[in-house]
Amino acid sequence: DAGITQSPRHKVTETGTPVTLRCHQTENHRYMYWYRQDPGHGLRLIHYSYGVKDTDKGEVSDGYSVSRSKTEDFLLTLESATSSQTSVYFCAIRNRDSYGYTFGSGTRLTVV
Amino acid sequence: QQQVKQSPQSLIVQKGGISIINCAYENTAFDYFPWYQQFPGKGPALLIAIRPDVSEKKEGRFTISFNKSAKQFSLHIMDSQPGDSATYFCAARIQQTSGSRLTFGEGTQLTVNP
Repeated sequence: DAGITQSPRHKVTETGTPVTLRCHQTENHRYMYWYRQDPGHGLRLIHYSYGVKDTDKGEVSDGYSVSRSKTEDFLLTLESATSSQTSVYFCAIRNRDSYGYTFGSGTRLTVV
Repeated sequence: QQQVKQSPQSLIVQKGGISIINCAYENTAFDYFPWYQQFPGKGPALLIAIRPDVSEKKEGRFTISFNKSAKQFSLHIMDSQPGDSATYFCAARIQQTSGSRLTFGEGTQLTVNP
């Protein structure tokens, strides 16, 4: 997947605990995105980054924070996980030679 | 608030038939309209895309039809095959000073029966 690795692939956590998901890319892409996928809602943008330390909110950013301290890593943190954050989370990069995005394989997060 | 509306939610087609998925948008600032295909357990993958100055784009069995005045676009899959069974998402891109962002439709689960 164009050098995008998401970790972990699966995680089960308890309500109220902090959780960090990692997206790692190896191709020096400037733009990185975090989406969540839920049935009936498609993919919804949580946060995105347009450079190191440069991030902006998406349409469903409440309860999430992000950090990008180096080009290759974009971290998504749930400060205090809730059951409504049970979802599949996808990281994406914007391709340099087109308008398209390339997605990672996803992280399935379950909050119990 | 979904800025891109997609229909139908699910679609069953016989092998060799035509699959049609429709999307509608409101924001005229969208400047690029891709379609993504997703298989179970995988991330979405870019299938085909169109810009609003073009009314149709064809790549193999896949065609996007675009109606700018109606703010609608659709994906047509000709000669549908069981291997086309997947979830399809339309999307629309908007440019901002901090870069671009894609807004996705709700998705259509396509099943092609052999």
